[in-house]
Amino acid sequence: GENVEQHPSTLSVQEGDSAVIKCTYSDSASNYFPWYKQELGKRPQLIIDIRSNVGEKKDQRIAVTLNKTAKHFSLHITETQPEDSAVYFCAANFNKFYFGSGTKLNVKP
Amino acid sequence: GAVVSQHPSWVICKSGTSVKIECRSLDFQATTMFWYRQFPKQSLMLMATSNEGSKATYEQGVEKDKFLINHASLTLSTLTVTSAHPEDSSFYICSAPPGLSYEQYFGPGTRLTVT
Repeated sequence: GENVEQHPSTLSVQEGDSAVIKCTYSDSASNYFPWYKQELGKRPQLIIDIRSNVGEKKDQRIAVTLNKTAKHFSLHITETQPEDSAVYFCAANFNKFYFGSGTKLNVKP
Repeated sequence: GAVVSQHPSWVICKSGTSVKIECRSLDFQATTMFWYRQFPKQSLMLMATSNEGSKATYEQGVEKDKFLINHASLTLSTLTVTSAHPEDSSFYICSAPPGLSYEQYFGPGTRLTVT
């Protein structure tokens, strides 16, 4: 199956700074790459996604970039706020999802 | 948007008993549903793909005789944890894609505690 690696496992930033989380995947057939935010005990919430025919996508303070050749994609959060503190997961999909190991983001006020 | 529900939201059972968890798509039909398990402070691990009207497909390392999956209708998949043990205690989440969408809609999860 697909193997998705995610770094870093924890990330601490000051409010207003940017945060970047990176993922790599192994299966070149994967064609959809979502990012999720998960709060403790709750379901994952989709925050942004990108398809394999697109290199970059932005939604307000959040952006995702995809490099198909290198098989890696990244989540960029600008102007971080304390409410951005959560665990973030990347995933890669070809018919089914495989998740990265997660990044705990802590935004310090 | 598409809604997926799960029942129960939490359950406590004794070691050796079986527990059934339901996953329903409320406003769309799902020929495929997915079951995940998430241990504390860990990622979601895909357990199996549930296919309406046919056998589930299990990921490597998942015991199919222990985690029974039934997808009897286009809106309902069930996961039965048989002869549960404390190490089966986890957060179980289902998901389903509405139609031909790439996106998955997740249920709210079921917290299973085996004593």
